[in-house]
Amino acid sequence: KQEVTQIPAALSVPEGENLVLNCSFTDSAIYNLQWFRQDPGKGLTSLLLIQSSQREQTSGRLNASLDKSSGRSTLYIAASQPGDSATYLCAVRVGAGGTSYGKLTFGQGTILTVHP
Amino acid sequence: GAVVSQHPSRVICKSGTSVKIECRSLDFQATTMFWYRQFPKQSLMLMATSNEGSKATYEQGVEKDKFLINHASLTLSTLTVTSAHPEDSSFYICSAARTGGYTEAFFGQGTRLTVV
Repeated sequence: KQEVTQIPAALSVPEGENLVLNCSFTDSAIYNLQWFRQDPGKGLTSLLLIQSSQREQTSGRLNASLDKSSGRSTLYIAASQPGDSATYLCAVRVGAGGTSYGKLTFGQGTILTVHP
Repeated sequence: GAVVSQHPSRVICKSGTSVKIECRSLDFQATTMFWYRQFPKQSLMLMATSNEGSKATYEQGVEKDKFLINHASLTLSTLTVTSAHPEDSSFYICSAARTGGYTEAFFGQGTRLTVV
């Protein structure tokens, strides 16, 4: 059974800091990995999608890496801003085939607070 | 980008009544839709996967007679919580994928259900 763990559970940093969020998964047979942002009481916004064959993806101040063999991914946020405050969720998508239909398994999330 | 619209965003109902939640893909055809449940300060738990025109696949422990899912078209899936009880109060989120569920998942805004 795939399990996804995110560390730290919560993080509070001053504005401007570069930070790293960690995600680990137990079964390396994944199809892809996706990072999301969730604001309180809201749905999920997709940030980055990394295919299993890729090592990293970048979007603006965000960079996500994937080391499939060791079951790890990191989300790097450069020059953090108060508007980045949210919960960040990592999710892995199981491999193709069977009845999995590509379902996502989520980590518990990292609650990020960036204070001015 | 792909837009998934979920309605209603909030609903309060009396115990014993049924509530229907709609999930629509606005600018793409979603062959696969997923329904998740999220408890306070917890991550998302997949409830069921639905493919257009076929019966939903429920995760272990999810009562299919209580949580009725219909995916009658490529742009609409509905989740009906039947005979709701206070313990069904939760945040329900849907997601949609273009083809087969393995591509990037896009999420709705979520529905906060409160059963009184």
